[in-house]
Amino acid sequence: DAGVIQSPRHEVTEMGQEVTLRCKPISGHNSLFWYRQTMMRGLELLIYFNNNVPIDDSGMPEDRFSAKMPNASFSTLKIQPSEPRDSAVYFCASSPGLTGELFFGEGSRLTVL
Amino acid sequence: GQQLNQSPQSMFIQEGEDVSMNCTSSSIFNTWLWYKQDPGEGPVLLIALYKAGELTSNGRLTAQFGITRKDSFLNISASIPSDVGIYFCAGHLSSSNTGKLIFGQGTTLQVKP
Repeated sequence: DAGVIQSPRHEVTEMGQEVTLRCKPISGHNSLFWYRQTMMRGLELLIYFNNNVPIDDSGMPEDRFSAKMPNASFSTLKIQPSEPRDSAVYFCASSPGLTGELFFGEGSRLTVL
Repeated sequence: GQQLNQSPQSMFIQEGEDVSMNCTSSSIFNTWLWYKQDPGEGPVLLIALYKAGELTSNGRLTAQFGITRKDSFLNISASIPSDVGIYFCAGHLSSSNTGKLIFGQGTTLQVKP
């Protein structure tokens, strides 16, 4: 069975450019999470959805970040405009319920120059 | 806010040695989970614990859910080189009616052959 699929795996962009990260959760999972990982701050929850509805976006750093989940099989995380401090690995994870058992994708490594 | 204190931050051990790491919290959790992250990959769930006092094994891994519900430990017996990675504890509060996890800062394990 396919796991959580993220794209792109790597992205290098220049400051000010728009970045869009994509995620396909595991089929049948009704919760989706976006995390950011850095050496300094570890794993930070940015936003999560339950049944395609955003439940908690308190972790989204600022208005430059936005996330959507138009249907049960697709989500995007957008950064516009990007800044060097946004450089990190962004993980998408999905969960079949509310047990806390998350299944992570392989991550999207973003470098903003 | 809720925080998890995970220790040690890093470990460098000889192959064949046993390893122990733990996590403490100022808050009570209903579920404790342990994840492992290999380099360049997303975290993968190792063990989930659902009851205070529960002791669960998964091969050479053993984890316990502390009786106070504020701590958990993970032991790895007879370490091997492929145990290298970052181990994260995570707590879940089911009464929040969400899948939101709080992650520890991680324990980086290096194994010398």
